[in-house]
Amino acid sequence: KNQVEQSPQSLIILEGKNCTLQCNYTVSPFSNLRWYKQDTGRGPVSLTIMTFSENTKSNGRYTATLDADTKQSSLHITASQLSDSASYICVVGLSGGYNKLIFGAGTRLAVHP
Amino acid sequence: KAGVTQTPRYLIKTRGQQVTLSCSPISGHRSVSWYQQTPGQGLQFLFEYFSETQRNKGNFPGRFSGRQFSNSRSEMNVSTLELGDSALYLCASSGGARPDTQYFGPGTRLTVL
Repeated sequence: KNQVEQSPQSLIILEGKNCTLQCNYTVSPFSNLRWYKQDTGRGPVSLTIMTFSENTKSNGRYTATLDADTKQSSLHITASQLSDSASYICVVGLSGGYNKLIFGAGTRLAVHP
Repeated sequence: KAGVTQTPRYLIKTRGQQVTLSCSPISGHRSVSWYQQTPGQGLQFLFEYFSETQRNKGNFPGRFSGRQFSNSRSEMNVSTLELGDSALYLCASSGGARPDTQYFGPGTRLTVL
């Protein structure tokens, strides 16, 4: 069964600190892995998208890594800001499925001053 | 460039009724995907339309249907509403120079009483 599991479920950090979110997947056939940020009451916003051959991609203070062998990905947030408070969703795209995506349940991040 | 728009933003219906949600993609995008988001199940893929044809379909009952018009605008219909259909319904468009990147709308919050 295609699954995407994220950990932790929720996380609280202080402003200015770094954090790392984890994503493990069992999805086949794999095409790409994406990280989205979703603010409360809004639609998700794409942060990064990586294909099988890419093992790291950055978007400002966000850096995603992908290990296709172990089927793991992480999203590292550097020097967190209050505006980073959101849900972060790991999404795996299926090969041949165009936009058919398998979503993780998300990690709820709260950044406190 | 205007983003993805969804109407209405909020909707309250009673069991047994039917509902139609609308999504206008980013100009030039030909793919529109629909998702259901609930606290318990997270984001789940409903279906994707491309050039007025359903290209992908998730595991939802036939009560959920959609269509796409020649201007790429899409509608989603849910018939015989059930309490469990209460959710945030998101649509996402993709295309243009970055076909792998989906841009989400703000969603329609449907409450079934």
